[in-house]
Amino acid sequence: DMKVTQMPRYLIKRMGENVLLECGQDMSHETMYWYRQDPGLGLQLIYISYDVDSNSEGDIPKGYRVSRKKREHFSLILDSAKTNQTSVYFCASSLRLSQNTLYFGAGTRLSVL
Amino acid sequence: AQKVTQTQTSISVMEKTTVTMDCVYETQDSSYFLFWYKQTASGEIVFLIRQDSYKKENATVGHYSLNFQKPKSSIGLIITATQIEDSAVYFCAMREDNTGNYKYVFGAGTRLKVIA
Repeated sequence: DMKVTQMPRYLIKRMGENVLLECGQDMSHETMYWYRQDPGLGLQLIYISYDVDSNSEGDIPKGYRVSRKKREHFSLILDSAKTNQTSVYFCASSLRLSQNTLYFGAGTRLSVL
Repeated sequence: AQKVTQTQTSISVMEKTTVTMDCVYETQDSSYFLFWYKQTASGEIVFLIRQDSYKKENATVGHYSLNFQKPKSSIGLIITATQIEDSAVYFCAMREDNTGNYKYVFGAGTRLKVIA
């Protein structure tokens, strides 16, 4: 079954706390992505991972870091979360060597108080 | 840098009619891929349809079709015989083919409401 799984689905944190968002996929896709979605702004790219330990900044990487130690797993880390990082975060994956589309996870709704 | 713009924030249409959602894009790449995605009320984002820049024929999938006007850098999504369940937010996206960065850039989305 082709699936992108995100955990947790909902998360509430206090400002200054560390946040770990996890994403897994079972399609052996090389490329994985983290996006955030805010009203009126669509989906903004935070980071891309081309494979294990091969990550690249997207358009809004400030305040975030990522980790990919296994092809099927991609983590987004917020060190000392800020209130303006309250958002819905989506993980996605795709096959690199084709014009294939993105497969999205269900999203994680993060509130930083 | 690549950019995707959707100027229609929200559209309401009567059920069983046809609706067109607009999207314009900017790219320096000679080869690129254009996509439309649908986000349902539950938040799920699903792929609908794709247009490859080198193809002249407009893509069609089910009751979704595209109006690709390359000289205008435009890729409109057409939904015919709309149904209530087509109510959703629709995103246009682009990926350049020759840059090697595999970035998918999205527009801000158009909210479609289909009224019975």
